[in-house]
Amino acid sequence: GQSLEQPSEVTAVEGAIVQINCTYQTSGFYGLSWYQQHDGGAPTFLSYNGLDGLEETGRFSSFLSRSDSYGYLLLQELQMKDSASYFCAVNTDKLIFGTGTRLQVFP
Amino acid sequence: DAGVIQSPRHEVTEMGQEVTLRCKPISGHDYLFWYRQTMMRGLELLIYFNNNVPIDDSGMPEDRFSAKMPNASFSTLKIQPSEPRDSAVYFCASSLKLAFLAGELFFGEGSRLTVL
Repeated sequence: GQSLEQPSEVTAVEGAIVQINCTYQTSGFYGLSWYQQHDGGAPTFLSYNGLDGLEETGRFSSFLSRSDSYGYLLLQELQMKDSASYFCAVNTDKLIFGTGTRLQVFP
Repeated sequence: DAGVIQSPRHEVTEMGQEVTLRCKPISGHDYLFWYRQTMMRGLELLIYFNNNVPIDDSGMPEDRFSAKMPNASFSTLKIQPSEPRDSAVYFCASSLKLAFLAGELFFGEGSRLTVL
């Protein structure tokens, strides 16, 4: 089976940098995805790492280390609108989501 | 472009009643997924289809749940009979093969089900 672990909650202030970690155990691993979900909304795709290393998309970056079964999402220059839940998801032959990390950004 | 369309957005029903949730994927997408989200269990994959064919239904909780995809533009998730523990937000998502391989799914706004 698959298992993913990520912190349940993270808090930060506007303008700061926050890192959300994800560790996973799975077989048939293809890559790691990150999704954002605002309260009452739908999950939306942020990024994907199929290879080891860092992927940068604007203020957001994502990292993967296959050998460590570990990845993280890095959010820079935090804004109030970044307050949301963030999910890592392992891509095997299907997409399995972690339990999510709730990020609260304070002024 | 229209995204994934789900209906109803909200449904309140009584235990024992049949519930049918509907999904229209993005045109041209050949993968369709049904997920269920609760506070306790997070986002769980129930079933997914490729080219209208069910590929993996191992996440379907029990025989009370069934899903169909009669054509490329429509899918249903049915619960019969419904129970209070089925209360959750049910999401439909679709994707193209290449996007799916890159971990990208497009989610609908969800159907919030409450079973009394």
